[in-house]
Amino acid sequence: DGGITQSPKYLFRKEGQNVTLSCEQNLNHDAMYWYRQDPGQGLRLIYYSQIVNDFQKGDIAEGYSVSREKKESFPLTVTSAQKNPTAFYLCASSPRAGVPLNTEAFFGQGTRLTVV
Amino acid sequence: KQEVTQIPAALSVPEGENLVLNCSFTDSAIYNLQWFRQDPGKGLTSLLLIQSSQREQTSGRLNASLDKSSGRSTLYIAASQPGDSATYLCAVKAAGNKLTFGGGTRVLVKP
Repeated sequence: DGGITQSPKYLFRKEGQNVTLSCEQNLNHDAMYWYRQDPGQGLRLIYYSQIVNDFQKGDIAEGYSVSREKKESFPLTVTSAQKNPTAFYLCASSPRAGVPLNTEAFFGQGTRLTVV
Repeated sequence: KQEVTQIPAALSVPEGENLVLNCSFTDSAIYNLQWFRQDPGKGLTSLLLIQSSQREQTSGRLNASLDKSSGRSTLYIAASQPGDSATYLCAVKAAGNKLTFGGGTRVLVKP
């Protein structure tokens, strides 16, 4: 089935450690996104990528890094520089705008990161 | 910078009543607007997508309108059911494929 997969579902990090969240899609979408959601809040954009080997900072990129070496994959690394990383992280993908049909964005089921 | 606002932040209605959820955005230069549903601890499920050239979209009990010039969209859910209880989010796609979300409206439908 086509879709977008995030792993792991739950992740625990010790202070000072870097962790990487996985996001894979088989929808042949060009654009991919990472969002952070805090309890009772909306989604805030961390990074997004329009095409392979290209990505842009979102509104809260500090303390995070990404790569886009393959169309299917857009991993997010939460570095030790991110002072408050405990949150729910959501990955999304969509066709690039300008594609005439079906520019709908699809989301994974999220990864809940907790600092212990 | 595009800003998306959803009012109210929370809404409680008795079963059977129609729901009206509002979304406003500051920059009308958008490609599309999408409404999502989120259940607690889950990802987002797409409900409706409205292209910038469209005025409305319908799917079952859901109807979404778009007035791009005034920067507003409204999601109507007819004859609400307890299963409609969730958080509803709107998002706009604009230049550079950036997808910007509102803060969401948390809906409770009481039996």
